[in-house]
Amino acid sequence: DTGVSQDPRHKITKRGQNVTFRCDPISEHNRLYWYRQTLGQGPEFLTYFQNEAQLEKSRLLSDRFSAERPKGSFSTLEIQRTEQGDSAMYLCASRSAYGSLTNEKLFFGSGTQLSVL
Amino acid sequence: DAKTTQPPSMDCAEGRAANLPCNHSTISGNEYVYWYRQIHSQGPQYIIHGLKNNETNEMASLIITEDRKSSTLILPHATLRDTAVYYCIGGSNYKLTFGKGTLLTVNP
Repeated sequence: DTGVSQDPRHKITKRGQNVTFRCDPISEHNRLYWYRQTLGQGPEFLTYFQNEAQLEKSRLLSDRFSAERPKGSFSTLEIQRTEQGDSAMYLCASRSAYGSLTNEKLFFGSGTQLSVL
Repeated sequence: DAKTTQPPSMDCAEGRAANLPCNHSTISGNEYVYWYRQIHSQGPQYIIHGLKNNETNEMASLIITEDRKSSTLILPHATLRDTAVYYCIGGSNYKLTFGKGTLLTVNP
């Protein structure tokens, strides 16, 4: 079973450093999502891709956050000049290309846990 | 997306049915009700979704009231592995808006 894969599983960094996370969706899924989850809260939507097109990025938390999906397969999420408040779990999810947009389930990866010291 | 309200926590005895309620009084006619769960340190896992009719799959049953203002997720025979945070979400799957969910603790 090749589910959604995220790398690394954990990342510890110092404040001010840049970090990049990778997400490999399920192979036939053309829609990819990034979420962030802080302790005690539900996941918070960040951005969404259909193939290589980033269709919504308004929820990216600041201009320090950016995401790419250059070939419509894997995606990366980069945080520049990290701050302690960026410490969170970053989750990636994907869904099937088929079916209506409101009637399909998302498959989530296990997330990347970021700790900013 | 519809705002949903869930109790913060519930307990259930192992082997018994777990009934998790959700209020979504602002849900619109074309918005689905989704249920996901999240076991500690893992990503959310899809359980079930529905629009108007009750739904059942291998994991759970979903009962939606006729006025669609509330729903109940039923785990028919809860096991210890069902201990998790359960999220009820109303809206577009394009952008799921998670609340804090219900922490279900299944006790031996």
